[in-house]
Amino acid sequence: EVQLVESGGGLVQPGGSLRLSCAASGFTFSGYSMNWVRQAPGKGLEWVSYISGGSGTIHYADPVKGRFTISRDIAKNSLYLQMNNLRAEDTAVYYCARLGYCIPGSCPADYWGQGTLVTVSS
Amino acid sequence: SVLTQPPSVSGAPGQRVTISCTGSSSNIGANYDVHWYQQLPGTAPKLLIYGNNNRPSGVPDRFSGSKSGTSASLAITGLQAEDEADYYCQSYDSSLTVLFGGGTKLTVL
Repeated sequence: EVQLVESGGGLVQPGGSLRLSCAASGFTFSGYSMNWVRQAPGKGLEWVSYISGGSGTIHYADPVKGRFTISRDIAKNSLYLQMNNLRAEDTAVYYCARLGYCIPGSCPADYWGQGTLVTVSS
Repeated sequence: SVLTQPPSVSGAPGQRVTISCTGSSSNIGANYDVHWYQQLPGTAPKLLIYGNNNRPSGVPDRFSGSKSGTSASLAITGLQAEDEADYYCQSYDSSLTVLFGGGTKLTVL
């Protein structure tokens, strides 16, 4: 059974840092690209970052470019999101998602974790 | 959001409802696939339709997707109380940035 479990969320002051983790199980982790997607309280979904299976391709949404870093550890079956210089507008539930049913240029998120809440406030 | 969805739709049990997702020539109209997600209250999103009109295993055939030009639609037939949720469309732009619609809240009357 595919499982994605996020951790590392919490309360942080503006300008602070946080590292999110996503533990993957039930599938060959290195064979799948992954996304981080966030959802501000009461708002819609917003894509944050993408990493390919071998970490060779990485993309970021403009609002987090230069502040967030996505990475993965194949040996630990884990996905990470290092978030620096956090702002109030980064407050959201952060989901990790596996990308499946992929064809070139199209990779939906077929499995999602339960999310971890990040609150940026003084 | 770059992809526009109606904020809300509603229907009675058994009825058919559709949710639209309107983009532009830079995303949906550029022949990028559209995917749809269902988010039940308090839960993570779930993939409902991928590649415009394909259902993952386990998704009832009451759910269907279509795409034409710069828009896409999700149709739900035989509406059930358990379908009450938020629905999101997703596509891409030319830089392969992932785009989400603003979401549509479905109310079953």
